[in-house]
Amino acid sequence: EPEVTQTPSHQVTQMGQEVILRCVPISNHLYFYWYRQILGQKVEFLVSFYNNEISEKSEIFDDQFSVERPDGSNFTLKIRSTKLEDSAMYFCASRGTEAFFGQGTRLTVV
Amino acid sequence: ILNVEQSPQSLHVQEGDSTNFTCSFPSSNFYALHWYRWETAKSPEALFVMTLNGDEKKKGRISATLNTKEGYSYLYIKGSQPEDSATYLCAFWNRGFQKLVFGTGTRLLVSP
Repeated sequence: EPEVTQTPSHQVTQMGQEVILRCVPISNHLYFYWYRQILGQKVEFLVSFYNNEISEKSEIFDDQFSVERPDGSNFTLKIRSTKLEDSAMYFCASRGTEAFFGQGTRLTVV
Repeated sequence: ILNVEQSPQSLHVQEGDSTNFTCSFPSSNFYALHWYRWETAKSPEALFVMTLNGDEKKKGRISATLNTKEGYSYLYIKGSQPEDSATYLCAFWNRGFQKLVFGTGTRLLVSP
């Protein structure tokens, strides 16, 4: 079965530091997404990406966040200056006719 | 604003019980509905993709139905087992399908 790969599986960072979460989507997919789930809360949409640009973003996705696909394979989410409330599981997904999710990166901001 | 609601929020049943959950979604601009099974610390596992009104899908002891006109889908688990314990998420694609909108999830716990 096709697989979306995310690295790292767990990242601990100090408040104010920059983090980059990496995703390798399925190779022939064109639509990419980041979601997050804060512990005990609902899965939240962050951003969708198509044709090398953001197609939609949520209110959560403020200027601290950015996404890019620098080399045509990796799809990255960057948080410039992390806050405690950014601690969550971050999931990448890619979509063809069906969406597949990665295993997630658990981000802990201390 | 696209709103996808699931009920109940959580459910605790005994092994062997059959159970069902509901997912409600906007009936306009419907494109597809996904059901996912999500165990803690793992990625969501796709169960079903449903696109047509009246669709019924089955995977082992789990089945789902879809009513796009009234905007709901039911997920059924027959003879629940402890390994069925997970959060069951539904997610809705609208016609613009810029994003998959998730419901709040139903947390199922099956006790032996």
